[in-house]
Amino acid sequence: DQQVKQNSPSLSVQEGRISILNCDYTNSMFDYFLWYKKYPAEGPTFLISISSIKDKNEDGRFTVFLNKSAKHLSLHIVPSQPGDSAVYFCAASGGSQGNLIFGKGTKLSVKP
Amino acid sequence: KAGVTQTPRYLIKTRGQQVTLSCSPISGHRSVSWYQQTPGQGLQFLFEYFSETQRNKGNFPGRFSGRQFSNSRSEMNVSTLELGDSALYLCASSSLQGAFGNTIYFGEGSWLTVV
Repeated sequence: DQQVKQNSPSLSVQEGRISILNCDYTNSMFDYFLWYKKYPAEGPTFLISISSIKDKNEDGRFTVFLNKSAKHLSLHIVPSQPGDSAVYFCAASGGSQGNLIFGKGTKLSVKP
Repeated sequence: KAGVTQTPRYLIKTRGQQVTLSCSPISGHRSVSWYQQTPGQGLQFLFEYFSETQRNKGNFPGRFSGRQFSNSRSEMNVSTLELGDSALYLCASSSLQGAFGNTIYFGEGSWLTVV
């Protein structure tokens, strides 16, 4: 039973436009959420996180939004750049989960 | 500050053999976690060590084991390798135990191929 779901395996966006990556979770006890970016043959790189006491966190071109009532979070990248092309993983922790629970990832392709 | 370092980066083993992977966490980090990434299952938690003690364990068979040394370096071992153990093994470190409100940083991984 997947507790963290990324329902879009892939997303293609034009350079300069907004990329929106979505993530849903089922465990209402999750209280900390992170996004990681992963290039092939490399480990995941931490991008941005958000605590459940907030509904938005920004860091440069990256913004994460959290909707607790819908158990949904999204990562916005504005403007998108070709170097952003990678697999993006959503992860969550909290409740009885002492470790990160990951979604299966969304592959973002940013076309020049 | 150096990141999480994993060795070896790539290795090929034969079914039935055993393998040991090594991880050096970020300086000052006392927690080391291990994750397995496969195309079908994504990233799955193996175990976490903090102050040389296993604090949390994922749903993997006993063939998967680990340990942590007093300098926080960690090793994981997989015995009696099976073809399905072929995966990217990722080590991650953090300053605090557990993932609660805690940012976890990953190494580049060790690619294991079992033939």
